[in-house]
Parts: sequence; structure tokens; C-alpha cells
Amino acid sequence: AQSVTQLGSHVSVSEGALVLLRCNYSSSVPPYLFWYVQYPNQGLQLLLKYTTGATLVKGINGFEAEFKKSETSFHLTKPSAHMSDAAEYFCAVSDYGGSQGNLIFGKGTKLSVKP
Amino acid sequence: ETGVTQSPTHLIKTRGQQVTLRCSSQSGHNTVSWYQQALGQGPQFIFQYYREEENGRGNFPPRFSGLQFPNYSSELNVNALELDDSALYLCASSVVETGNEQFFGPGTRLTVL
Repeated sequence: AQSVTQLGSHVSVSEGALVLLRCNYSSSVPPYLFWYVQYPNQGLQLLLKYTTGATLVKGINGFEAEFKKSETSFHLTKPSAHMSDAAEYFCAVSDYGGSQGNLIFGKGTKLSVKP
Repeated sequence: ETGVTQSPTHLIKTRGQQVTLRCSSQSGHNTVSWYQQALGQGPQFIFQYYREEENGRGNFPPRFSGLQFPNYSSELNVNALELDDSALYLCASSVVETGNEQFFGPGTRLTVL
């Protein structure tokens, strides 16, 4: 069965600093992986996804993530944090593998950005 | 292009009551998935509807049921509400045939007293 573990329920960085949010997954099939962002009292917005092909995936708002099969990881990074990045971030894996499955989410990491 | 919309935004019910939540899919999407997000947790998959039939279900009891209509909008019904049903309910629409990328609505916040 597929599962997702996000390391660190709360991450705090200074504005302009590197953002690194960690995600490890477990999947019995080649995984489809996703990062979503959730602002307070809002739904989820897709930041980026990995399906097949290039392992370094670029998303919106300057975020990127690298799929590392050997480490079963899909960490999210951004070189320079902005105040507007403060939100909760969820990593997810497709439960059936491929494109047909629904999403299994991690518990989320709340990102705080200090001025 | 209209995104996914949900109604109502907020809802307060008492234990034992029944509730219906509504979702309108993004234009052109034929699949709707529902998720429950408890406070401080990630969303959990409830079920998915494709072409008006249930097409997968998570670990939720039968008192959670749904419908999908010919226009691809959807309802989530919860009977015999329990305190633990208090959560944000998220609807996501997608097109299964083209990769099933899910687009989420803003959610309905349900409080059960």
C-alpha cells in the first residue's frame, strides 16, 4: 500500500533563505507524486507533480522537487523564501500508481517565514 | 473557465443529524473525488465518482454516501453525524482519461456539536 511521510510538522525560515520540505513515500508501483499548498481557509493548489521522465520537476512560485527513487524521496525546495510562501504544504502519492488513482496525503508541513 | 465550487462554505450541525454537501466540477471534468480533512491532518480520500457511479472508496463507513449527476456535479451525504465528522470536506474534479490531475475546491467546513 502507498503511504507518505512528511518530516517536520512545522518548518520556520527567514525571508530569503532556502526552503526545504521533506517527503518520503512508500509505493508498490511506480509512483505519481504531488506537492500541494494550502493557504488558511482555502482548498489545495497543485504546486508540482512527478509522473514519469525528468526527475527534477519545476512548479509554480519558484518551487521545485526532485524524485529520488533510491531514497524514496520527493523533497520540495525553493532557493529564496518569500513572506507569501507561508502556508501548509502537503505531499501526496497516487494510490493505485499511474494516473488512475486517488491521492494519499502526508500530514502536512506548516511553513512559517520570518521577516 | 470556472473552477471547482463547493457549497455551503460553512455548516453547523448537531450529532445524529444528516448533512448534504455540494460540489460543481470544473468545466470539462467528468470525475469527482471527495476528501475529509480533519484539523491538523492531511486530506483523506472518501470516494470518487466517475460517470455517475462510485469508482473507488476509502476507509469510510456506509453512512458516507454520494451522488454524481449528469452535469458531473456531485453531492456528499453524511447520515447520523458524529462529533468526529467535524472537518473540512474537499471536493476535487478531474478527467480520468487525461491523467486524473485533481483540481480542488475551497472546501466546506462542517462543525458537529
